[in-house]
Parts: sequence; C-alpha cells; structure tokens
Amino acid sequence: DAKTTQPNSMESNEEEPVHLPCNHSTISGTDYIHWYRQLPSQGPEYVIHGLTSNVNNRMASLAIAEDRKSSTLILHRATLRDAAVYYCIPGGRGNTGKLIFGQGTTLQVKP
Amino acid sequence: EPEVTQTPSHQVTQMGQEVILRCVPISNHLYFYWYRQILGQKVEFLVSFYNNEISEKSEIFDDQFSVERPDGSNFTLKIRSTKLEDSAMYFCASRGRGNANTEAFFGQGTRLTVV
Repeated sequence: DAKTTQPNSMESNEEEPVHLPCNHSTISGTDYIHWYRQLPSQGPEYVIHGLTSNVNNRMASLAIAEDRKSSTLILHRATLRDAAVYYCIPGGRGNTGKLIFGQGTTLQVKP
Repeated sequence: EPEVTQTPSHQVTQMGQEVILRCVPISNHLYFYWYRQILGQKVEFLVSFYNNEISEKSEIFDDQFSVERPDGSNFTLKIRSTKLEDSAMYFCASRGRGNANTEAFFGQGTRLTVV
C-alpha cells in the first residue's frame, strides 16, 4: 500500500482558503488519489478524487503534482462545518476499492 | 440524497455473545464494505464484498467475523463471540457500479460496546 504523509493538524480562520497537503511518493501509476473527511462523531464522507489532472467539485479542489507524488486539497472558503479530520488515500486497490485510512489531518476552523 | 443506513446506532453486549450489525446500502450499488474505528484510533478496513462473496478481507477479519447479504438489500456483519477489544464504531460503506474508484458512501456507524 502506498504510504501517505499528512500534517497532524492545521488551523484556519473562517472564510479563508485552506490548503491541506499530502505526500504519497510511493503511489502506483494506476492509483487514484482520494480525499475523505470525518466530521466529529460521524462516518467518513467523500470529498474528491483524481488521477492526474486537477479536479474541482462543489466541496473542494484537488491539485495534483505533475509527478503525482503529492497533492493538495483546497477548501476555498473554510466554514465552521469544515472542521474535521481529512484523509488522503491512494487507491482503491484493484477491483475491491478498499480504502486504507491513515491518521489524517485534523483541521480546526476558528470563527 | 441516497444514504447508507445502519442499525442499531448503539449496541451493548456481553463478552462472548453474538452480535449482528445491520446495514442497508444504497440501492443499485455493487461493492460493499465494513470498517471499524476503535475510539481515538484510525478507521480500519475489515472486509469487502462483491458479487455475493467476500472479495478481500483484512487480518482483523478472522473466523469470528462473517458477512452476509441475505435478501439483496441488507448487508450484515456478524461477530460470533464478542471480545472486549471488539468495542468500536463499525461503519458500513457501499460504492456504485462499474468502477471501484467511484465515491464510497459511508453510514453513520454502529457503536458496539462489549462489557
């Protein structure tokens, strides 16, 4: 399994952009980069995923380095509801699509 | 918006008892999963299920665990003889058609407490 490195925690002010980095230098050429988040006392929630090109959706943007060894999740305007643990996950492995969660980054959003 | 539902939200059981955790995945989804999260620790993969059989399981998923999709809608996780260390949040997840890289939808979890 590809290893990931994320900061343990980050802080942001409300309504400011947040850039959450992830290193995944051992990612295989066919692995997607998935981002999930887990709000307090809830199940994980899909945020975004991509393979090579940068991706945008209503929740966030994903910037993928050209060599695919790192990526950055961008929340354009953080809200208090965005306070969560954010996980960067290379995979879904093979045909099973299992997700291997690391420790993630705990994002605190200050009003 | 479609969602994965899990019941019960909280289950308390005595050590050695059997428990069944229930999940209703999103209809038309084809890939099903169970994960667990011990308090304060990371989310751990247990098992994946596709085409009515286990497609992959982790080391955690030993002979005490089993999964079933008995009626085409429910997806259950059974623990035959619970241990104290089985106390955790258990999350069910499902994915849609065609591609295992599609978005996974998670339920809100069942908190299992073994006493």
